[in-house]
Amino acid sequence: DIVMTQSPDSLAVSLGERATINCKSSQSLLYSSNYKNYLAWYQQKPGQPPKLLLNWASTRESGVPDRFSGSGSGTDFTLTISGLQAEDVALYYCQQYYSLPYTFGQGTKLEIK
Amino acid sequence: QVQLQESGPGLVKPSETLSLTCSVSGGSIRSYYWTWIRQSPGKRPEWIGHMYHSGITNYNPSLKSRVTMSIDTSKNQFSLQLRSLTPADTAVYYCAREDRGWFEFWGQGALVSVSS
Repeated sequence: DIVMTQSPDSLAVSLGERATINCKSSQSLLYSSNYKNYLAWYQQKPGQPPKLLLNWASTRESGVPDRFSGSGSGTDFTLTISGLQAEDVALYYCQQYYSLPYTFGQGTKLEIK
Repeated sequence: QVQLQESGPGLVKPSETLSLTCSVSGGSIRSYYWTWIRQSPGKRPEWIGHMYHSGITNYNPSLKSRVTMSIDTSKNQFSLQLRSLTPADTAVYYCAREDRGWFEFWGQGALVSVSS
């Protein structure tokens, strides 16, 4: 199985500032035939299912604010939230879909400082 | 807008079998892979497996010996059976629609507790 490891486990950022969450995979998620990274990012609020934010490591899902952006390739990826808003307080997960079984990171808890 | 809704018992005894059904509305179940994911309290989501309407299934090897998924296209529903339950199977069970590996639409989740 591909192991997904996120850092940090928790993060406190001031309103309006930038939050950066990292995700590392135990093997490359870059598929050589199409140069796409098979990684998704989700946001989960208490009592709710995860909400898809990004796929292909950097493609925003429809309706997701443009303050959410993704970067990285291979084994190292980053989710950046620019201009943190109060409603961004949540758990964030990365997920690989390069190979079965699909696996998730352990999550990063984002709070307001 | 596609909507999914899980249904099933909230409490199951150890060694028994869990049966959950996911009802899909707003779209046909004859496209996409349909997935079960669970999340134990305070833990990361765990992919259980997925199924295509043709009957193709893939299960997580960690659960494969205890899992069966099925699909009823006439009712636009798909189901999960998990056998030989232990308290470690206590979790919120989600059904979701998979699109090329990511999960765009999710049910609200069904909390299943395994306890005598």
